[in-house]
Amino acid sequence: QLQLQESGPGLVKPSETLSLTCTVSGGSISSSSYYWGWIRQPPGKGLEWIGSIYYSGSTYYNPSLKSRVTISVDTSKNQFSLKLSSVTAADTAVYYCARQPYDIWGGMDVWGQGTTVTVSS
Amino acid sequence: DIQMTQSPSSVSASVGDRVTITCRASQGISSWLAWYQQKPGKAPKLLIYAASSLQSGVPSRFSGSGSGTDFTLTISSLQPEDFATYYCQQANSFPSLVTFGPGTKVDIK
Repeated sequence: QLQLQESGPGLVKPSETLSLTCTVSGGSISSSSYYWGWIRQPPGKGLEWIGSIYYSGSTYYNPSLKSRVTISVDTSKNQFSLKLSSVTAADTAVYYCARQPYDIWGGMDVWGQGTTVTVSS
Repeated sequence: DIQMTQSPSSVSASVGDRVTITCRASQGISSWLAWYQQKPGKAPKLLIYAASSLQSGVPSRFSGSGSGTDFTLTISSLQPEDFATYYCQQANSFPSLVTFGPGTKVDIK
């Protein structure tokens, strides 16, 4: 059973860089059938797609965050990572990683449990 | 960018009711639409993809329809475990430019 697990600091200072990792277990991140994405949800608000990556390293970013976001993949560790620079309080959210299979029209079928990141001094 | 709207923003319903949620895209997205259920403190769960295809393991009381700009999610007979928030998501430019609707909260009448 494929599982995703987010990890990283729960508290980040304003203007610093938020760094999170998603570890994939029970399957290979190098499968050609999937993209891997990051989604966030501010407290009490809706879902926002941050970006996605393919195992080859091809990346796709939300235009509203593109200048601050870097998503990378480490196939040797079966992980992909998110870096968000110059964070502010508006970046406080639950951050999820998810799998996007190629064949289900953009749906995200497996999600991590989410990790809460608070931006505060 | 494609904007997604949902209506209603919230609905109060009773167990056994038929509930319909509407999602509208700001431009045509063919069938590149998914529906998710999210309960408090939990990750979203995929219910429907390709506008009308039921994800494996999801009860058949959930159904989706529509194409182009107008879509619906229907719960044919609401069960106690269905009280949650529902989101639509478009992926017309998959894997890029994914956007979610604002959500519809289904609560107990």
